[in-house]
Amino acid sequence: EVQLVESGGGLVQRGGSLRLSCAASGFYFSGYWMTWFRQAPGKGLEWVANIKEDGSNKYYVDSVKGRFTISRDNAKNSLYLQMNSLTAEDTAVYYCARGEGWVDYWGQGTLATVSS
Amino acid sequence: DIQMTQSPSSLSASLGDRVTITCRASQGITNSLAWFQQKPGKAPKSLIYRSYILHSGVPSKFSGSGYGTDFTLTISNLQPEDFATYYCQQYNNYPLTFGGGTKVEIK
Repeated sequence: EVQLVESGGGLVQRGGSLRLSCAASGFYFSGYWMTWFRQAPGKGLEWVANIKEDGSNKYYVDSVKGRFTISRDNAKNSLYLQMNSLTAEDTAVYYCARGEGWVDYWGQGTLATVSS
Repeated sequence: DIQMTQSPSSLSASLGDRVTITCRASQGITNSLAWFQQKPGKAPKSLIYRSYILHSGVPSKFSGSGYGTDFTLTISNLQPEDFATYYCQQYNNYPLTFGGGTKVEIK
C-alpha cells in the first residue's frame, strides 16, 4: 500500500524557516518524481515544487523560488521541503504527492502557520 | 502561466442525479488534464488523468473527456460520498495550475 506521511509543520514567525518531511512507503521511491502542493485555509490547491527521481531536476512556482528548496534522500525514502523567509502568504496545509505532472497518491498534509 | 477556469463554482444536486463540471484552459494543453476530489479536512484524491483515464480504484460513475482547451468531468448516479469539491489541473506546462474548484452540494 502506498503511504505518504508528512511532518514538520507548525507555527513560525514571519521571516522564519521550516523544514517539511514526507516519509514514503509501499513503493519504489527512487523510481518516481515527487511533488509538493499546498492549500491555504479555505482556498484552492497550488503546486509548489517537484523533483526528479534522482534529484537532478527541480521545478518551483515563482512565488517560492529562491526561498524554498525541494530535496530528497532516496536511501531514506524521504522527500523534503526547506522553507525560508516565510511570509503570511505561505500559511497553508502542505501535501506531498507521488508523480511529476499528474500525481496519483497524496499524503494527509501538514499545516504550516506563519504568524505576523 | 496557463489559467484553468472551472464552472460552475458550486452546484446543488440530488441523490441519483448526473452532473457535469467543465474546465477550460487559457491555451491548449493537449490531454494533460487531471481531476481530483477533495472532502472537507481531507487530502485530495486522484480521479482521472490524461483527460479520461480513471485512476486505479475509481468507480466508472466518474468519466472525463476533452482535448485542447475544453474538458468535462461527469459524475453519474450521485451518492452521498460524491458530495465534495472537485478540481481540475493541467500538467502540460510549468507551473502546474489548478482550476478554482467546484463544490458539489446536496440539494
